[in-house]
Formats: sequence, structure tokens, C-alpha cells
Amino acid sequence: EIVLTQSPATLSLSPGERATLSCRASQSIESNLAWYQQKPGQAPRLLIYDASNWASGTPARFSGSGSGTDFTLTISSLEPEDFAVYYCQLRSNWPPGRYTFGQGTKLEIK
Amino acid sequence: QVHLVQSGAEVKEPGASVKLSCKASGSTFISRYMHWVRQAPRQGLEWMGTINPTGGTTAYAQKFQGRVTMTWDTSTSTVYMDLSSLRSEDTAVYYCVMAIGYFDYWGQGTLVTVSS
Repeated sequence: EIVLTQSPATLSLSPGERATLSCRASQSIESNLAWYQQKPGQAPRLLIYDASNWASGTPARFSGSGSGTDFTLTISSLEPEDFAVYYCQLRSNWPPGRYTFGQGTKLEIK
Repeated sequence: QVHLVQSGAEVKEPGASVKLSCKASGSTFISRYMHWVRQAPRQGLEWMGTINPTGGTTAYAQKFQGRVTMTWDTSTSTVYMDLSSLRSEDTAVYYCVMAIGYFDYWGQGTLVTVSS
């Protein structure tokens, strides 16, 4: 079973700073990775899919990169509304496979 | 635009079963994979399984094999998730999700509390 490990668990930054979140897979998953943002009391929201493609409505300050086992979500300049929990997710191939999530990175205001 | 509306909160005793519903509207229901994801209090996201409404094919996370059943009703565009032998660790918010590619559309979540 493929495991996704996110780091750091918590990231403390100030508005305007650059955020770099990491997700590492225990084996190669090509580009089958998504990033989600979750705010308190809300359902998660898809931000990035296939490692580097913006989902509809995702601001341009968010970018995803990586392939294989190492992936990064970068927020170029943090806005107050960006402080949330971020999850990466593996999408395995059809027939129905597994959609493992990482354990999450909490991005908090410093 | 897709809209997923889930059933209301549930309180169950240990050992009981719960059946949650998720009604889809605003888009073609057929051929969109529906998933269930849960989130225990102050914890991360956990994928439970998926159903393809077109053929009824299901796939469940190993952790839930034997305890979870996902079904669908195309006449009402509603997907159901039945979880049996509930224990306190099943207390969580349960989300239904429609996947166009990845998990594109989420329901509002249903809180299930398991307590004696």
C-alpha cells in the first residue's frame, strides 16, 4: 500500500510570505496527485490535480510541482484566507483503486 | 454546477448500523464515481470507498471491508453508505464526494456520533 507523508505537520508563516508544503509517496505515483485545502467547519476543496494543474477557481498564487515520489505545493504570497489545512491525495488507476490522503499540513498565522 | 446534499446528523449506539444518503443534482449523475470520505474529530481525511453508479461497481478501503456497503438509486440520483458494527472510533463527519477526475464536488458532511 502506498503511503503519503506530508511535511511539515505545522507551518507558521505571516501574510505575504511564501509557503512550501511537501508530500512524499512511498513509491512512484507518476503525477497522480492532488492537493486540497480545508478550512474549519468546511468540506475540503480541490486546488491542484495531476500534480500541477489548477482546479477551477484556484488562485494563481497556488502552484503544484513534482512527479514520481516528491511533490510540492507552493503558495507564492500568503493571503489571510490561505491559512488552513492542506492535504495531498493519491489517485490510483482504474479499476477502482485507492485514494489515500496524506495526514495534512496545518498552515497557521505566525 | 453539481450540488450534493447529505442526510442529517445521526447518533448511534455501539454495535448499531447507520445508513447515510447523498442526493446529487445539477449534473449528469450517471458515470460519475461517488466516494465516501470521513474525518474523525481533529483528525485527517480517510477514504472509505467508491461506487460507480453506472454499473454499481464498488471498491472499499481494506479497513472497512465487511462493514461498509455503498449503493445507489439512479431514479432519485441518491447514493447510500451503510456502515455496520459501529464503535466509538467511527464517530466522524462523513462526506460524499463526486469525482469527475479527482474529488471535485463535496457534500456538506454528516456527523455520526457513536455513543452509549
